[in-house]
Amino acid sequence: GQQLNQSPQSMFIQEGEDVSMNCTSSSIFNTWLWYKQDPGEGPVLLIALYKAGELTSNGRLTAQFGITRKDSFLNISASIPSDVGIYFCAGHYSGAGSYQLTFGKGTKLSVIP
Amino acid sequence: GAGVSQSPSNKVTEKGKDVELRCDPISGHTALYWYRQSLGQGLEFLIYFQGNSAPDKSGLPSDRFSAERTGGSVSTLTIQRTQQEDSAVYLCASSSPGNYNEQFFGPGTRLTVL
Repeated sequence: GQQLNQSPQSMFIQEGEDVSMNCTSSSIFNTWLWYKQDPGEGPVLLIALYKAGELTSNGRLTAQFGITRKDSFLNISASIPSDVGIYFCAGHYSGAGSYQLTFGKGTKLSVIP
Repeated sequence: GAGVSQSPSNKVTEKGKDVELRCDPISGHTALYWYRQSLGQGLEFLIYFQGNSAPDKSGLPSDRFSAERTGGSVSTLTIQRTQQEDSAVYLCASSSPGNYNEQFFGPGTRLTVL
């Protein structure tokens, strides 16, 4: 099955710093998504990407759909304490005939005030 | 409702007992998904329902797991003869017609099997 490698596994940064995390896949995806999960909550969708090369922003978040369709990155600029949480990438390949998402294992972000 | 709701929020059971987990999707969402999240792991797909079509059960880990969706809305995930390795957070998600990529998640049910 499809595998997603997400890195880094965890990050400790100072408030105000920029953050970058990425995901790579063993095969292509048609859609890349980035979710954030707070403790005790379900993941919340941050950004959805639908086209290879697409660069999309949502406030301080920017994500890109890699041109090879096998990778994506998420950047967070000027981090603040409420950015703390676990960030997951997820991909979908419509050719598989299924609507399930494949998830990375997450990047745990800690922000030091 | 405003979002996906799940119940119970926490469930502790003894090994060998059956459990039922409930999911109430967003009103109007025709697709419903169940995922499992083990400690420190990403989400593992279990099963998907779309309208009245036969569910995609390809992710169910064993025949002890089953799910149903009544009336195209509420879904129940049943785990029979629970094992300790079933301990995880079970997450439900729903999506609107034709927009299956953007899945909205509930808060999950944390299952602990002693």
